[in-house]
Amino acid sequence: QVQLVQSGSELKKPGASVRVSCQASGYTFNAYTINWVRQAPGQGLEWMGWININTGNPSYAQDFTGRFVFSLDTSVSTAYLQIVSLKADDTAMYYCARAVMGSTALDYWGQGTLITVSA
Amino acid sequence: QSVLTQPPSVSAAPGQKVTISCSGSTSNIGSHYVSWCQQLPGTAPKLLIYDTDKRPSGIPDRFSGSKSGTSATLAITGLQTGDEADYYCATWDNSLSTYVFGTGTKVTVL
Repeated sequence: QVQLVQSGSELKKPGASVRVSCQASGYTFNAYTINWVRQAPGQGLEWMGWININTGNPSYAQDFTGRFVFSLDTSVSTAYLQIVSLKADDTAMYYCARAVMGSTALDYWGQGTLITVSA
Repeated sequence: QSVLTQPPSVSAAPGQKVTISCSGSTSNIGSHYVSWCQQLPGTAPKLLIYDTDKRPSGIPDRFSGSKSGTSATLAITGLQTGDEADYYCATWDNSLSTYVFGTGTKVTVL
């Protein structure tokens, strides 16, 4: 069955960096894109962008340029989200989700990774 | 602020029907398919509807989607206590060149 399994929760200090992993299984990894979605505490969903598994090219939403980096290790069917220079308002649940190439429907989601930024 | 507006909450008794609206514009809903996802408390979102009116395998036909112009609607019939969740619409926006989620609607079963 299709699964996206994310790494565990992290507690970081302001200014630090963090990397979240999203390991896919149960499907052909490069037939889909991986999208990243943020959900701040008590808030709605925000699309951060996506990465093309075939080319490795990332595309970032406007609010997620500069400090956010999407990457891949196709040998282990894993996508990564790195956030640098963490700020308190980066505290949120981060989800990976797959979509068919050319589609915007996010059909399978990871379980989420809680990133807490606090001094 | 999202460009897709949903009512903050809707409620109904078990067995009844609720509808959730998602209001957008010609640059998003008016030009693209709409999807809907359900987020049960403390869990990851789950796809309910894609391509405006299609259900993934395993989603009961109590859930249906539709679109008219620049608005989309999710209908839930035969409401159950297990349907208590937050629901989000989503689509691509040409003007913003980004995927956008709606503001979210909390469904309460009375």
